[in-house]
Amino acid sequence: DAKTTQPNSMESNEEEPVHLPCNHSTISGTDYIHWYRQLPSQGPEYVIHGLTSNVNNRMASLAIAEDRKSSTLILHRATLRDAAVYYCIRSSTGNQFYFGTGTSLTVIP
Amino acid sequence: GAGVSQSPRYKVAKRGQDVALRCDPISGHVSLFWYQQALGQGPEFLTYFQNEAQLDKSGLPSDRFFAERPEGSVSTLKIQRTQQEDSAVYLCASSPVQGRVNTEAFFGQGTRLTVV
Repeated sequence: DAKTTQPNSMESNEEEPVHLPCNHSTISGTDYIHWYRQLPSQGPEYVIHGLTSNVNNRMASLAIAEDRKSSTLILHRATLRDAAVYYCIRSSTGNQFYFGTGTSLTVIP
Repeated sequence: GAGVSQSPRYKVAKRGQDVALRCDPISGHVSLFWYQQALGQGPEFLTYFQNEAQLDKSGLPSDRFFAERPEGSVSTLKIQRTQQEDSAVYLCASSPVQGRVNTEAFFGQGTRLTVV
């Protein structure tokens, strides 16, 4: 199955770091890992992506396990605006993304 | 516009009616994708265009679904003889390069289709 595995929901306190896990045990060597998030009534929004090494951008960090069978999205300081459904997606040489059901993140003020 | 634009935002169709959903991608974007998102689920791939060529339509659920992008920019997703199970949000995405293995995709806000 090309879809990834994520917890259905997570909670975080505002201004604390959040670690969102993802399992992709059947990933192949050329598959990228992408993270998107979706707010209610909006389309998905790009967060970050990577192949093998850890990645950082202004929104988040992506830590990829050495065997690439799992990864973790890190939000360094959660804000109320980070409350969303977070999707971990693998992409291969094909052109479609295989979305799972994602992790619904609740941020507690 | 600055982003991917979809119209209409909401559409109510009577069962059996034909509908057409429009997507205006970001200017110059080569790749265009359609996804279907049922309530409480992640988006499911429908079809992919590179310029005007439809390179993958493996996700279209039936022959009632048809997509086109005749001039390599605006795309239309058409659903004939709508059924209640077609009720969903239809998302369009575009990206600036061919394929999307390692590029960012930009999504529109979607069209919510309700079949009654």
